Amino acid sequence: AQSVTQLGSHVSVSEGALVLLRCNYSSSVPPYLFWYVQYPNQGLQLLLKYTTGATLVKGINGFEAEFKKSETSFHLTKPSAHMSDAAEYFCASRTDTGRRALTFGSGTRLQVQP
Amino acid sequence: NAGVTQTPKFQVLKTGQSMTLQCAQDMNHEYMSWYRQDPGMGLRLIHYSVGAGITDQGEVPNGYNVSRSTTEDFPLRLLSAAPSQTSVYFCASSYSIGAGGNTEAFFGQGTRLTVV
Repeated sequence: AQSVTQLGSHVSVSEGALVLLRCNYSSSVPPYLFWYVQYPNQGLQLLLKYTTGATLVKGINGFEAEFKKSETSFHLTKPSAHMSDAAEYFCASRTDTGRRALTFGSGTRLQVQP
Repeated sequence: NAGVTQTPKFQVLKTGQSMTLQCAQDMNHEYMSWYRQDPGMGLRLIHYSVGAGITDQGEVPNGYNVSRSTTEDFPLRLLSAAPSQTSVYFCASSYSIGAGGNTEAFFGQGTRLTVV
């Protein structure tokens, strides 16, 4: 069964600093990968999604993710954190089994310090 | 478009009570699903449906029932609420497999349920 691991349940950065949120997947076949963001008391919003063949995927709000098959990773980065980036971030995967269900990581809460 | 709409937003139940969480989408998506979100555990799949009249169990189905009589609606029923069902519930929808494996899921705003 596929699984998604997010290292670090809490990450704190200063405003303007680099944001790096880690995601590793376990699947013999590279799955479809997604990053979602959840602001307080809201639903999940898509940040970006992996496209087959791409190594760097750009998303909304200045976020991007690098796919590394050799490391089974799909880490999320943003060069310069903004206070409005404070939220919980979820990495999710889907294998091409015909099911639409997503498998989620446990989430990383990003705190941005002024 | 309203997207995915969930009602109610908040609910408090007593142990043993039953209730239905409503979910409706106006995007003509074939696939709909219910997740529960618990601290430190991400989102876990409860039930899903690949189209009207077709439902199946997810990872944590016990204590929940679903039905899908129309494309738009996918209600989640708690048969006899237990404190362990205290959670935030999210409904999601997406296009069918024919749209490609990287088709994203669209989420509702969630229902915060407390069982006392």
